[in-house]
Amino acid sequence: QVQLVESGGGLVKPGGSLRLSCAASGFTFSDYYMSWIRQAPGKGLEWVSYISGSGSIIYYADSLKGRFTISRDNAKNSLYLQMNSLRAEDTAVYYCARERSGSYYYWGQGTLVTVSS
Amino acid sequence: DIQMTQSPSSLSASVGDRVTITCQASQDTSNYLNWYQQKPGKAPKLLIYDGSNLETGVPSRFSGSGSGTDFTLTINSLQPEDIATYYCQQYDNLPYTFGQGTKLEIK
Repeated sequence: QVQLVESGGGLVKPGGSLRLSCAASGFTFSDYYMSWIRQAPGKGLEWVSYISGSGSIIYYADSLKGRFTISRDNAKNSLYLQMNSLRAEDTAVYYCARERSGSYYYWGQGTLVTVSS
Repeated sequence: DIQMTQSPSSLSASVGDRVTITCQASQDTSNYLNWYQQKPGKAPKLLIYDGSNLETGVPSRFSGSGSGTDFTLTINSLQPEDIATYYCQQYDNLPYTFGQGTKLEIK
């Protein structure tokens, strides 16, 4: 069955960096667009970024461009999110999700990123 | 970016009630609209895609309608397990955007 397992979250100081990972299994990883979606504590969902199966097509939410970088390693069935210059407002649970024509049926359990001094 | 506005932000209803949640887009999104259900501490669950198509395994009491800028999620005969927050999401334009959520409670 499809499984998505995020890791890499934790406490980081403002201005710091963190790299999130998402390990995928149960499907042909390279066939699917993958996305990162985040949710600040007690708040709604915010789409962050997506990457095509080959990695050649990437898109980011406007507010995050230049600070976050999405990537994937199809040989390792893994999705990544490199987050730099982190701010308090980046504090959130970060989910990876498998896209199907704009819809997200499969989600990971999420990993919490806390940006605080 | 396309702004998605849900109403109401919160809703209290009784078991067996018919519940309606609306989602308005700031521009035409055709029928590229999803509805998700999220329970506390869990990832969202896809309920409806393409505006009105019920995802496999979702109870038939859930239905979606609308196109263009105005969409509706209806729950017929509310059940206790439907207590959750509901989100709409457009995928007509990048970046994909979500509504702010509607928190559904039982009276």
